[in-house]
Amino acid sequence: EIVLTQSPATLSLSPGERATLSCRASQSVSSYLAWYQQKPGQAPRLLIYDASNRATGIPARFSGSGSGTDFTLTISSLEPEDFAVYYCQQRSNWPTFGQGTKLEIK
Amino acid sequence: EVQLVESGGGLVQPGGSLRLSCAASGFTFSSYEMNWVRQAPGKGLEWVSYISSSGSTIYYADSVKGRFTISRDNAKNSLYLQMNSLRAEDTAVYYCARQAAYDAFDIWGQGTMVTVSS
Repeated sequence: EIVLTQSPATLSLSPGERATLSCRASQSVSSYLAWYQQKPGQAPRLLIYDASNRATGIPARFSGSGSGTDFTLTISSLEPEDFAVYYCQQRSNWPTFGQGTKLEIK
Repeated sequence: EVQLVESGGGLVQPGGSLRLSCAASGFTFSSYEMNWVRQAPGKGLEWVSYISSSGSTIYYADSVKGRFTISRDNAKNSLYLQMNSLRAEDTAVYYCARQAAYDAFDIWGQGTMVTVSS
């Protein structure tokens, strides 16, 4: 099983700041990595697929990078609605998710 | 509007059974692979099961293999999860999720809560 480790567990930032979230895989997943956003009481929402492609309707302030084992989700300038939990997910074999990074308002 | 709506959750005793349904609308259901993903209270996401567009290929997480059965009825635009021999650790919100051509989960239902407790 491919294990995804996200860091940090919690990130405290202010609106307008830049957020950088990390996801590390226990073995290479090539570029088969997605990012999701989840707000309390809601289903996850797909943000990024194949490491760097924005899903339909996702604002340009969200970007993804990386390949192999190290991946990054960057939010260039935080909006109030961006504070949520973020999960990475790989599809190299059966899907697994990271444990999540909570992005909270400082 | 593209939509997935789950139903069938509830409270069940350990060892009991439950059948979840997911009704799809707004897209050609028969063209898409589908999945079930669950989330225990206060925890992260866990993939549960996958079914191909025709239903011919199925996969399960080890944690549910032999107890859960995924199926679909393309004529009814519906996905199902039959859950048997339920355990306390199966308590979670269960989401159905559409698998896009690029294999990420692009559409999710609102979830249905399953509670296994005596």
